Amino acid sequence: DIQMTQSPSSLSASIGDRVTITCQASQDIREYLNWYQHKPGTAPRLLIFDTSNLETGVPSRFSGSGSGTDFTFTISSLQPEDIATYYCQHYGNLPYTFGQGTKLEIK
Amino acid sequence: QVTLKESGPALVKPTQTLTLTCTFSGFSLSTYPIRVSWIRQPPGKALEWLARIDWNDDKFYSPSLKTRLTISRDTSKNQVVLTMTNMDPVDTATYYCARWRVAGGGFDYWGQGTLVTVSS
Repeated sequence: DIQMTQSPSSLSASIGDRVTITCQASQDIREYLNWYQHKPGTAPRLLIFDTSNLETGVPSRFSGSGSGTDFTFTISSLQPEDIATYYCQHYGNLPYTFGQGTKLEIK
Repeated sequence: QVTLKESGPALVKPTQTLTLTCTFSGFSLSTYPIRVSWIRQPPGKALEWLARIDWNDDKFYSPSLKTRLTISRDTSKNQVVLTMTNMDPVDTATYYCARWRVAGGGFDYWGQGTLVTVSS
């Protein structure tokens, strides 16, 4: 299985801050990497697919980049509604695996 | 409008078999290239992919759970069913069904999730 190492596991930031989360794959997954936002009591929401593509309806402050084994997810200006846990997920091959998650809190 | 909804027991006993149903609308599982997966999340832990069924009835399983899982579909009812045998307290989790994006990657539509507790 491909392992996804996500960091940090938690992050405290202020409104308006630039926030960056990284995800490292244990082997080359090209650009087969997605990012989700998950708020308690709700279903996960796809934000970024195929490393850098913004899902329909997702605000442009969210972005993603990378390729191969190293990937980055960025919120350019943190908003109160962005408080959630964020997960990366690869689909280079089966089984799909998710990162351990980054819990984002307001400072 | 695409929707998915999970249903099944909230409580199962250890060693029992869990059966979960995902009822969906807004797409057909017999149409290329639709794929539906089951994913779970134990309390306080990360998401874990379990199984997938495709438009052509191909089925795929997490290697670590393969011997315990069966995924099937009823296209006339727009349902995907997951069975998991020999349930254990560590299987306590919220179970989600989700559709894979038609173009590109990612699970674009998810059900609300159903919490299953394994306890005697």
